[in-house]
Amino acid sequence: RKEVEQDPGPFNVPEGATVAFNCTYSNSASQSFFWYRQDCRKEPKLLMSVYSSGNEDGRFTAQLNRASQYISLLIRDSKLSDSATYLCVVRVYTGGFKTIFGAGTRLFVKA
Amino acid sequence: IAGITQAPTSQILAAGRRMTLRCTQDMRHNAMYWYRQDLGLGLRLIHYSNTAGTTGKGEVPDGYSVSRANTDDFPLTLASAVPSQTSVYFCASSDSNRANTGELFFGEGSRLTVL
Repeated sequence: RKEVEQDPGPFNVPEGATVAFNCTYSNSASQSFFWYRQDCRKEPKLLMSVYSSGNEDGRFTAQLNRASQYISLLIRDSKLSDSATYLCVVRVYTGGFKTIFGAGTRLFVKA
Repeated sequence: IAGITQAPTSQILAAGRRMTLRCTQDMRHNAMYWYRQDLGLGLRLIHYSNTAGTTGKGEVPDGYSVSRANTDDFPLTLASAVPSQTSVYFCASSDSNRANTGELFFGEGSRLTVL
């Protein structure tokens, strides 16, 4: 079983739609959680951190459920520019910090 | 602000040849990393360095070596390239003193093809 699992998609949605991505992680000692965005043939960039209480940044909402070891990202009012791959990232402390990336979920937003 | 610079951006290499991918950062980050990204597998850690003078093995270290002579530079060497090392390689850095954030800053990637 992969340490961080995501639905690879692709998700094809129209502009203005709401779309949700899910991610599960296997290590209960995971301490920090993030969503990164990666555009085609570009480097990953931090989209947002995920906090236990849930957090929102404009049209983006991230949620964490530690009991179920589950992270989600909700995008409201999708824009064409949201088309990208979204990477779920978990940071585990095992004597030192280890950062584990999910394989990513591809999103295509269409006009 | 340059951030992280990788070179070359793209390279085609014959199997058996030696290749060094260069990585330089100007953010004075303690920690640096090399990842490879392959379709369907996501980013996999090859080697890392928590501070200048130290290095460690990641998830897929075989066939690769690194050095960290100073804070800014973290080159990745393929001693004898094989076709399975065809991939996109990303160098990254983080401020390990800010352990709670853990944000990684990536270079633009080096696309390597081994024939």
